[in-house]
Amino acid sequence: DQQVKQNSPSLSVQEGRISILNCDYTNSMFDYFLWYKKYPAEGPTFLISISSIKDKNEDGRFTVFLNKSAKHLSLHIVPSQPGDSAVYFCAASATSGTYKYIFGTGTRLKVLA
Amino acid sequence: DAGVIQSPRHEVTEMGQEVTLRCKPISGHNSLFWYRQTMMRGLELLIYFNNNVPIDDSGMPEDRFSAKMPNASFSTLKIQPSEPRDSAVYFCASRPLQGTNTEAFFGQGTRLTVV
Repeated sequence: DQQVKQNSPSLSVQEGRISILNCDYTNSMFDYFLWYKKYPAEGPTFLISISSIKDKNEDGRFTVFLNKSAKHLSLHIVPSQPGDSAVYFCAASATSGTYKYIFGTGTRLKVLA
Repeated sequence: DAGVIQSPRHEVTEMGQEVTLRCKPISGHNSLFWYRQTMMRGLELLIYFNNNVPIDDSGMPEDRFSAKMPNASFSTLKIQPSEPRDSAVYFCASRPLQGTNTEAFFGQGTRLTVV
């Protein structure tokens, strides 16, 4: 049973436009969420996170939004750049539990120049 | 710090052989994770250690898989016997603090091919 779902396997966006990547989760105990970026032949690298006490966290061009009632989070990249082309993974954990991170299946973002 | 170090980077082995993947976490990190990446399941958590003790191994697919962490600076994931369906990229990750909201740092992975 996939507790963290990324329903869009791929996304293409024009350079300079906004990229929106979506993630849904099923476990209401999750209270900490992360986004990772992964380039080919490399390990995932941390991008941005959000705690459930917030509904938005911003870091430069990257903003994560959390909608707890809908069990949904999204990553916005504005403006998108060709170097943002990568696979993006959403992850969630329950800090009252074992603190393990559960990842989604990933979304491959392609930013077109 | 060199980051999380995994070896080997690539491993090709024949079905039925034993495979051992190795991981050196970042110094001072006391939580360690083993993940497997596949197209169908994304990054799948296999096992998680805290202070060298296995906390959750519910993701280990079968008894053919085993993991150890004999000390704070070394962990192994062993598959015996290996099967073609074990072919995937295996990642090790470590985290600096237990019980707090911090990100995990990943190694570059080991690409395993079982023929």
